[in-house]
Amino acid sequence: NAGVTQTPKFRILKIGQSMTLQCTQDMNHNYMYWYRQDPGMGLKLIYYSVGAGITDKGEVPNGYNVSRSTTEDFPLRLELAAPSQTSVYFCASAEYNEQFFGPGTRLTVL
Amino acid sequence: GDSVTQMEGPVTLSEEAFLTINCTYTATGYPSLFWYVQYPGEGLQLLLKATKADDKGSNKGFEATYRKETTSFHLEKGSVQVSDSAVYFCALSPDFGNEKLTFGTGTRLTIIP
Repeated sequence: NAGVTQTPKFRILKIGQSMTLQCTQDMNHNYMYWYRQDPGMGLKLIYYSVGAGITDKGEVPNGYNVSRSTTEDFPLRLELAAPSQTSVYFCASAEYNEQFFGPGTRLTVL
Repeated sequence: GDSVTQMEGPVTLSEEAFLTINCTYTATGYPSLFWYVQYPGEGLQLLLKATKADDKGSNKGFEATYRKETTSFHLEKGSVQVSDSAVYFCALSPDFGNEKLTFGTGTRLTIIP
């Protein structure tokens, strides 16, 4: 099992550009999550999904969009990148109250 | 809403010292409680969990007891090693399965030889 994989590992964007952060899990989990981690601020939930075709907003969804067309994939889309979106992004999947995290994507918006 | 308050860091200890990282929570009902660990450059990993009052979670020499009367879930280890250097996150979820986790802000632990 690869677990939860994320691509890319690092990315630098210019203000106003768009990009998609990819997340794939091979554990057949229904629940998936996107978090951002800012220094000293812990993790904030952006969006989550309870199964293919079902998504919902978390605590900080503005400026992001998600889709869940398959159980395995849960991409996060950034439209019109802003410096406030500079952060480390983590994807996770979950089963029986345990969340499994990917290695993260470090995004810088300049 | 639910919240988790963690001991401010960073924490620096000598090898073989005793570790306590405090965690208190606010939640309705009967949440499940977790400690996650993040090693440098990696994602979070579940360290231990407890799902009901007075349960003790343990793993890799770490322990935490779910104390409903004090709404606490403090992390302890009797003798830390350099390899324990990491960021530790306390978290909770409501008592009905795979719901959203609420995280504390994390405590950075550094162990010096």
